[in-house]
Amino acid sequence: EIVLTQSPGTLSLSPGERATLSCRASQSVSSSYLAWYQQKPGQAPRLLIYGASSRATGIPDRFSGSGSGTDFTLTISRLEPEDFAVYYCQQYGSSPEYTFGQGTKLEIK
Amino acid sequence: EVQLVESGGGLVQPGGSLRLSCAASGFTFSSYEMNWVRQAPGKGLEWVSYISSSGSTIYYADSVKGRFTISRDNAKNSLYLQMNSLRAEDTAVYYCATTVRYDAFDIWGQGTMVTVSS
Repeated sequence: EIVLTQSPGTLSLSPGERATLSCRASQSVSSSYLAWYQQKPGQAPRLLIYGASSRATGIPDRFSGSGSGTDFTLTISRLEPEDFAVYYCQQYGSSPEYTFGQGTKLEIK
Repeated sequence: EVQLVESGGGLVQPGGSLRLSCAASGFTFSSYEMNWVRQAPGKGLEWVSYISSSGSTIYYADSVKGRFTISRDNAKNSLYLQMNSLRAEDTAVYYCATTVRYDAFDIWGQGTMVTVSS
């Protein structure tokens, strides 16, 4: 089973700052089948990034994903007030497991 | 509009059973694989189960294997999760999710709450 470890657990930043979130896998994630989701309280998760670096439709270009193998990063170039939420990475290349990381909470400083 | 709507959640005693449903609309349901994902109160996301578009391939997380059964009725555009031998740790919001535009979970329902308690 591939285990995804996200860091930090909580990130405190101010609007306008740059956010860097990390996701490390216990084994190589095949074909960069790594996704990032955003979840706000009381809402379902929303897909931001798939294939490690491709933005889903409607996602602002301040969100970017990078990485391969076991190390992946989600970067938000300039934080907007609506970006403060919990972010999860997920690997979906290793059937039958579609494991999620434990999440990073991005909070307003 | 592409939409998933879950139903069937509620309060159930430990050891009891519950059947969740997920109604799909706005896309060709029979062409897409489906998943159940759950989230315990205040916790992270946990993938629960997968079913292929035809229903011929099914996977489960170890935590529910042998107790939960995923199924689908393509004629009714519906996905199901039969949950038996429920435990307190199964308490969670249960989401159905699918991969319509991308190979990651791009469409999610609003979730249905399952509470296992005496």
